Order: sequence, then C-alpha cells, then structure tokens
Amino acid sequence: DTAVSQTPKYLVTQMGNDKSIKCEQNLGHDTMYWYKQDSKKFLKIMFSYNNKELIINETVPNRFSPKSPDKAHLNLHINSLELGDSAVYFCASSLLDRWNYGYTFGSGTRLTVV
Amino acid sequence: AQTVTQSQPEMSVQEAETVTLSCTYDTSESDYYLFWYKQPPSRQMILVIRQEAYKQQNATENRFSVNFQKAAKSFSLKISDSQLGDAAMYFCAYEGGGNKLVFGAGTILRVKS
Repeated sequence: DTAVSQTPKYLVTQMGNDKSIKCEQNLGHDTMYWYKQDSKKFLKIMFSYNNKELIINETVPNRFSPKSPDKAHLNLHINSLELGDSAVYFCASSLLDRWNYGYTFGSGTRLTVV
Repeated sequence: AQTVTQSQPEMSVQEAETVTLSCTYDTSESDYYLFWYKQPPSRQMILVIRQEAYKQQNATENRFSVNFQKAAKSFSLKISDSQLGDAAMYFCAYEGGGNKLVFGAGTILRVKS
C-alpha cells in the first residue's frame, strides 16, 4: 500500500504550458506539503495545508497554485511553465504530532520544462 | 531564520567501516526536532533517525546513531558497519514548530566494496 502517492512520476512539457501534479495520502494525516528539490538537490518547502486550509505559503511565484479538495489530497497546478521550474517536486504528509511520527514523503515528480 | 549546514558535500567509506556525517544548525528556539533523511537514487526520501532537542540521550536506530550537541548546535550522524545499501544522499533537517522542515544541502555517501 502506497502511503503518499504522486502522479505523474515524470513530466516533460514545453515552456508556457500549464500542468498539474496530484498527491494523495492514505495515512489519515491532516497536514500535507509541497517541497521543491532543485538541480543542486536543495530541498525547500513551498506550501503546507492543514485540513484543507493553507498554513504555509513560502515565497513562490503566483504561477504556482496549490489546491486541497480534502485532507487526503493536495494538488499543485503550475501556469505558464518556465525553464527554471524544472525540478523534482515532493509531496509529504504528517500528523499534527509530526514530531513523534515524522513526515512521510512521496516518491517525487520530476518536472522537465523544455 | 533557521539554517542547516552540511559541510561535507561528499564522503566515502569502506564497507563494514564507520562513517560520520556532520550537520550544524542555527536557531534561537529551545524546542525543536532534528532529522536525518536518506535519498537513494530511487529519489524516495526515507527517514533515518530523529532527535528531540529536549532529550539529552542521543537517538539510535540499529546501525545509525546521532551525536547531538545542543549547546554547539551540532547533530552528526554515525553509520556503523556500513553496507552497500547505505550509499545515498543524506539530508539533515530541522523543524522548530513552524510546520516546515528546513534542510541542509546534503552529503553524498559512497560505500566502497
């Protein structure tokens, strides 16, 4: 059973296109996240949702819009894709008591913009 | 803002030997958690070990242990009896209650047979 699943795993698209990445968790967690890993492997948080409510919105271009239809799903929509958006995007989830149970990450979506 | 520094971009270890990966962090908070994550070539982020700042005792998980020095803001990972499967990128991460992990730049660990 996959705990945090992301689709697609790979995404190749042209500049200017709009694309979405989907994330679902079956752990009963109430908080979900999007992290970006750039070409130098540096990981940084983008967004966090708790029970469908946005709680963290780091300095991210407005072209990125997260949507959480329910607490088990968190999608990431990206408009007008640019070359610099090429990265691996990780979805993660946690309980409120994340310090005891930690975070669970998905396997990532490698986005390549050409 | 909190920062996490991993000063070793790359480390090598002989199979069955012991290796230590370094991590330092900067924070003004007194309560926080520290984590080590492993990222093999498969890209999956795997939790290796976590440490609660208020606990004096260093965390251990089988062959993995940490040396947590709160005053020095240091959190190193020791891998004993290294195995080929330990080869991966290792990330140190900090969480101070803000619902977000702050990661270091990572250390690539190579295991030689």
